[in-house]
Amino acid sequence: DAKTTQPNSMESNEEEPVHLPCNHSTISGTDYIHWYRQLPSQGPEYVIHGLTSNVNNRMASLAIAEDRKSSTLILHRATLRDAAVYYCILRRYGGSQGNLIFGKGTKLSVKP
Amino acid sequence: EAGVTQFPSHSVIEKGQTVTLRCDPISGHDNLYWYRRVMGKEIKFLLHFVKESKQDESGMPNNRFLAERTGGTYSTLKVQPAELEDSGVYFCASSPWTSGSQTEAFFGQGTRLTVV
Repeated sequence: DAKTTQPNSMESNEEEPVHLPCNHSTISGTDYIHWYRQLPSQGPEYVIHGLTSNVNNRMASLAIAEDRKSSTLILHRATLRDAAVYYCILRRYGGSQGNLIFGKGTKLSVKP
Repeated sequence: EAGVTQFPSHSVIEKGQTVTLRCDPISGHDNLYWYRRVMGKEIKFLLHFVKESKQDESGMPNNRFLAERTGGTYSTLKVQPAELEDSGVYFCASSPWTSGSQTEAFFGQGTRLTVV
């Protein structure tokens, strides 16, 4: 799986939007972009995934650049519960059975 | 519906002893994965079962680690004998089988293993 690059940490204020960037310049045409997060003392939790088009679900939105070399996870209104480490992971098509390769992720702090 | 369940939540053992971790995946999930995070490091893949078969065990660190999934239901990960560097948090995840489309993996809360 191709490598991703994320900032080590970010800060946000409660109830404000958060944009978490991820660079994946070596992404291949069949790589999906997945986001997971890990809250303190818990296992990783799926957030969202996409291939080319922007995606929305109840947790977040995923904005994918036209050239697919970068993407942004958007939390529309950060809450204290969103404080976690966010991981951007590339997964090859047909690799839904394969393992996830975690990097260092971005540690998001949310201030009240 | 119950999520992925791991037992025990914590384990403290002495170097040289044996420890067995257990994972109960979500019912009906054919894929079962083991991961671990050792102190200060990233979460690393250990192995992947499809039903009772080992699909990929490339992440297993050495032959002191033995994973089984009898009957394709729950899985155990045995460490024998345990070494200090085995300390960390062991995560289990499961996902349903698909023919290639992307699915999410559901993770358990993890087992914190401390070897002293």
